[in-house]
Amino acid sequence: EVQLMESGGGLVKPGGSLRLSCAGSGFPSTRYAMDWVRQAPGKGLEWVSSITQSSSYIFYADSVKGRFTISRDNAKNSVYLQMNSLRAEDTAVYYCVRVRGQQLARVGPNWFDPWGQGTLVTVSP
Amino acid sequence: QSVLTQPPSASETPGQRLTISCSGSSSNIGSNTVNWYQQLPGSAPKLLIYTNNQRPSGVPDRFSGSKSGTSASLAISGLQSEDEADYYCAAWDDNLNGWLFGGGTRLTV
Repeated sequence: EVQLMESGGGLVKPGGSLRLSCAGSGFPSTRYAMDWVRQAPGKGLEWVSSITQSSSYIFYADSVKGRFTISRDNAKNSVYLQMNSLRAEDTAVYYCVRVRGQQLARVGPNWFDPWGQGTLVTVSP
Repeated sequence: QSVLTQPPSASETPGQRLTISCSGSSSNIGSNTVNWYQQLPGSAPKLLIYTNNQRPSGVPDRFSGSKSGTSASLAISGLQSEDEADYYCAAWDDNLNGWLFGGGTRLTV
């Protein structure tokens, strides 16, 4: 069974840092791009970042560019999101998602499947 | 504010058919395929429709998707109480070089 398990969420003060991890199982990570999507409390979904299989292509939402860094370790079947200079508006559940279809959406169709269960990040004094 | 526009809510009685719209622009829906995700209360989102109109295995054929120009639609027929959820459309945006989600539609059956 394909599964994604996020960890690393928690309470952090504004300006602080946090590193999220996503461990995949049931599939070879080397074959898939991975993304992070977040959802603020009571709000909709917001895409955060993408990384291709070999880390050749990385994309960020404007809202996190320069503050967040996505990376991966294919040997560990894991993806990471280093979050620095955190703000109150970064408070959200962060979901790790596997990308199916083409590696790059601009090349051809792709979609998110499956989604992890999410990890909550709270930025508050 | 989401660039993909969905109605915030929709309501219909059991057994009926309902359509949820998703409106975008030439740089997103007009140029790329649309996916739909279902989020049941208290759960993570789940893929419902991919590449405009494809259903993953396990998704009932009561759910269907379509796309025309810069808009897409999700249709649900034979509505059931378990269909109560939030539904999100998503498309890649060539100008932003990123994914856009609609604001979500909360369905009440």
